[in-house]
Amino acid sequence: NAGVTQTPKFQVLKTGQSMTLQCAQDMNHNSMYWYRQDPGMGLRLIYYSASEGTTDKGEVPNGYNVSRLNKREFSLRLESAAPSQTSVYFCASSYSPGLQETQYFGPGTRLLVL
Amino acid sequence: GENVEQHPSTLSVQEGDSAVIKCTYSDSASNYFPWYKQELGKGPQLIIDIRSNVGEKKDQRIAVTLNKTAKHFSLHITETQPEDSAVYFCAASIKNSGYALNFGKGTSLLVTP
Repeated sequence: NAGVTQTPKFQVLKTGQSMTLQCAQDMNHNSMYWYRQDPGMGLRLIYYSASEGTTDKGEVPNGYNVSRLNKREFSLRLESAAPSQTSVYFCASSYSPGLQETQYFGPGTRLLVL
Repeated sequence: GENVEQHPSTLSVQEGDSAVIKCTYSDSASNYFPWYKQELGKGPQLIIDIRSNVGEKKDQRIAVTLNKTAKHFSLHITETQPEDSAVYFCAASIKNSGYALNFGKGTSLLVTP
């Protein structure tokens, strides 16, 4: 039982390049989330998926898109990377809203945009 | 989005002393308040949580108190140990969001032997 896994662990991009961050969970969780963490800013919600087939914007969605591929997988795409998107990205999942809210986090993807 | 304010940003205590971290939130619809511990290079890990129908919860050396009227909640760690050194985040649930969370900016706790 791996929990929440994220790939890649590290990535360096040039401005304007695109990439997709992958996230998968094996806990049969309904809800999944993407956060970014910047120094002194805590974690900020980018997008979330309350259940398979639904996605919604969080606090900082600009410049990102997401896909809930199936119940296990939730990907985050940067179409045209900018230096302001240099950050650590965390994926999280939880069982079901209103029942068990505990979010379990992945190890993170460290992204540097030059 | 709605704000979660967390204080202090850094905290240094001696081993065996207590540590207290305080948070306030603005969204009156928030009803779930977890605390996470993050070690260097790792993802946040839940250490304790509290729901709005409870005023206090304790788990061994860790306790959390919630005052819904005043919209603040606190983390108390007693008999601190060097392995408690980490960054701690408070969070509050976001209404109608699948229980996504608004996080505080974190408290870096250092426990010195």
